[in-house]
Order: sequence, then C-alpha cells, then structure tokens
Amino acid sequence: SQQGEEDPQALSIQEGENATMNCSYKTSINNLQWYRQNSGRGLVHLILIRSNEREKHSGRLRVTLDTSKKSSSLLITASRAADTASYFCATVGGGYNKLIFGAGTRLAVHP
Amino acid sequence: EAQVTQNPRYLITVTGKKLTVTCSQNMNHEYMSWYRQDPGLGLRQIYYSMNVEVTDKGDVPEGYKVSRKEKRNFPLILESPSPNQTSLYFCASSQVQGGNEQFFGPGTRLTVL
Repeated sequence: SQQGEEDPQALSIQEGENATMNCSYKTSINNLQWYRQNSGRGLVHLILIRSNEREKHSGRLRVTLDTSKKSSSLLITASRAADTASYFCATVGGGYNKLIFGAGTRLAVHP
Repeated sequence: EAQVTQNPRYLITVTGKKLTVTCSQNMNHEYMSWYRQDPGLGLRQIYYSMNVEVTDKGDVPEGYKVSRKEKRNFPLILESPSPNQTSLYFCASSQVQGGNEQFFGPGTRLTVL
C-alpha cells in the first residue's frame, strides 16, 4: 500500500536553484523520512522528522512537516548537478515496524 | 565499513527455476526487510524480520519466502519465479525497529523469462 504521494513526479532545474518536493500521506504517522536514490542504486537516508517536529535542517536540506495537512516538503538549496537523483518520502505508522514509500520525485539538475 | 550486501547484483533466470538472493548486514541490526521496486510504484515491502526466527509478511509477500536463522543474514527465496517477479529488489536493515533509519543494500536486478 502506498502511503506517501510525492509531487511533482519530475522536476528539472538549473544548478544553483532551489528544489522543492512535496509529500502527502493519508494516515497518522510516527515519523516521516526522506531518502535519495541514484539511478538503479540503493536508497540513502537523508533525514528523519518526528511527528512532533515541524522543521528540520541538515546541510542544504530543509524538511518541514505539517501533520494537520498530512504533508511534508523537502527543500534542497543551491542545487548541484550531483543532486540529480530520485527522492522518496517514507512514513512510519503506529506499529513502528515498517516504512511505506511513495513513488518518488525525479530531480534533474542541469549544469 | 558498515554496509548491507546483496548477491547476486544481476540475475536472469527462467520461469520456475528456484533462486535465492542473499542479504547480509554487518551492523548487528535486529530489523531486516526486503522490498521490490517497480516503475511508478515506489518500493513495496515483501517481508520483514524483527529478529532471529521472527519474520512477517509485508505488502506483497505472494511468491516469496524468507528465513532469519542468523542475525546478519536474511535471504529471499523465490521457489518458482514467474515473469511478474521481474523487478529490482532491495534488502534493508535498521537498528531495533523498522521505523528507524533504514540502511539499504545496492539492489538485485532480477529478470524472469
């Protein structure tokens, strides 16, 4: 079952611009995580935000969470060509024993 | 180096020929999981394990088996593969529970003819 829905499905920007990806989900969560995947490779964890947190930063990444709207956003500032990848949000529910992934946003950053 | 390894990385097989994809982690994680990734569908969980000898079905378990005899290993078994199991498979592990940060293997691309 797919819990998170990312928007947009694909995003194309120039180096130096900011990239914003959104994730909406349906049921209450314990935490929400963002992962990155380079083409055909394994996923790499970027950031975890708990349900009682509203914003979190890690380097050039900024994640927000609005539990009233059941949505999250991932902002990558000053993007680089190396940021080209697919980005997935994943939610963790009350059982705390599994991640449910969305279909992902494909980000292309052009030099 | 902390890592999750999978073998093989690529596999082409024929319908009905039993196969096993191995997964091993060196981080002493209790939780391990298998996912399949198909275009437009994201990652879907096949099976997971909370600890040795404890396994449970995920969202798409049909046609798959798993075992967890040792903490570090979590093989995925396809007893009779079919073409609809052609996919990219990922093993992942995390500390204590699946709701924590998960560490992913590099993936196994399986084609069933």
